[in-house]
Amino acid sequence: GAGVSQSPSNKVTEKGKDVELRCDPISGHTALYWYRQSLGQGLEFLIYFQGNSAPDKSGLPSDRFSAERTGGSVSTLTIQRTQQEDSAVYLCASSPFPAAPDTQYFGPGTRLTVL
Amino acid sequence: AQKVTQAQTEISVVEKEDVTLDCVYETRDTTYYLFWYKQPPSGELVFLIRRNSFDEQNEISGRYSWNFQKSTSSFNFTITASQVVDSAVYFCALSEPSLNDYKLSFGAGTTVTVRA
Repeated sequence: GAGVSQSPSNKVTEKGKDVELRCDPISGHTALYWYRQSLGQGLEFLIYFQGNSAPDKSGLPSDRFSAERTGGSVSTLTIQRTQQEDSAVYLCASSPFPAAPDTQYFGPGTRLTVL
Repeated sequence: AQKVTQAQTEISVVEKEDVTLDCVYETRDTTYYLFWYKQPPSGELVFLIRRNSFDEQNEISGRYSWNFQKSTSSFNFTITASQVVDSAVYFCALSEPSLNDYKLSFGAGTTVTVRA
């Protein structure tokens, strides 16, 4: 079956612009996670969705970052007024059921470059 | 505080050599879960193994093996008879149920380069 997909694969934007990153999880997976991978910070958690709700947003670095999930499926991560330090690879992962530590399956990521 | 420590930043070996990647973790949970992921040059994180804290049996899968030692909070990974295709960044990760969402705390990763 299809894995986790993310779009766009690459995004170059100018400082101050808003960007939207999209994640399509594996069908039927109720849990969805966003992570960020950057040279200085490694792989870090951003936000977790269970269905359409986000009980853990503790990793979002600032209020410029927000995310939503609709229909228990697609999720969008929005970064407003992008800054150069937002440049990173944004990874999405999904897992079948969060009540047990099911394996998280990762998408290919979106590489964001803020000029 | 870093929950997962991968002390080796880079390891370079010649093909057919064995390579062991160290992972040390820190948690207050009595039940927790440990993972290894591989990130090849293509960039996608590939799941390798999940281990429960209450199962200390070591595991072997082909050329890969894992040594879980609860007493030393370590979950080391060995690639036997390495091949060029094993060249990648390898991440160890921890999931703690007390956090109620099973998010992963990753180590910094170890870059493995296998030379022909």
